[in-house]
Amino acid sequence: AQSVTQPDIHITVSEGASLELRCNYSYGATPYLFWYVQSPGQGLQLLLKYFSGDTLVQGIKGFEAEFKRSQSSFNLRKPSVHWSDAAEYFCAVGAKNQGGKLIFGQGTELSVKP
Amino acid sequence: DTAVSQTPKYLVTQMGNDKSIKCEQNLGHDTMYWYKQDSKKFLKIMFSYNNKELIINETVPNRFSPKSPDKAHLNLHINSLELGDSAVYFCASSHDDRPDNYGYTFGSGTRLTVV
Repeated sequence: AQSVTQPDIHITVSEGASLELRCNYSYGATPYLFWYVQSPGQGLQLLLKYFSGDTLVQGIKGFEAEFKRSQSSFNLRKPSVHWSDAAEYFCAVGAKNQGGKLIFGQGTELSVKP
Repeated sequence: DTAVSQTPKYLVTQMGNDKSIKCEQNLGHDTMYWYKQDSKKFLKIMFSYNNKELIINETVPNRFSPKSPDKAHLNLHINSLELGDSAVYFCASSHDDRPDNYGYTFGSGTRLTVV
């Protein structure tokens, strides 16, 4: 069965510092991987996605993620965090013939210190 | 122009009542979803519809009944509400149900509180 683990429930970084949010997935075939961001009281917004090809994918708001098959990971990175990046971040995995279903991780709450 | 709109945004109701949440998307997408986010922010799919047809029913109690009158609308009706139904319910849509078209667009959520 597919599953997604985000090991860090809460991360605090200083503004301007680099960020890496971890995501590990479990799936037998090639997964379709996503990162979403949720600001308080809002829906989720797609940051980036990986299906195939180049394992380093660029997303919106300066985020990128790297797919590492050997580690079953899809970690999200940003070189310099802004205060407005404070939010909840969700990693998700999908697969073919699943009716569009996504399995979400538990989320990582990001706080940004001035 | 909101892409995926849900109403109401907040819903407070008593146990045993019946309530509905409405969702509409103006993106021309074929597939729509209902997700439930619990108090620990865990998101789980409830239903997906592709072109008005039910594709996924993820072991949701029969008290929950989705209805899709057309592919732009997916409503959620809940009978005999229970305390455990308190959550944030998100509607979402995607171009279709192929994973390479998954980039969901989410609504802003409906916070349901059952008292």
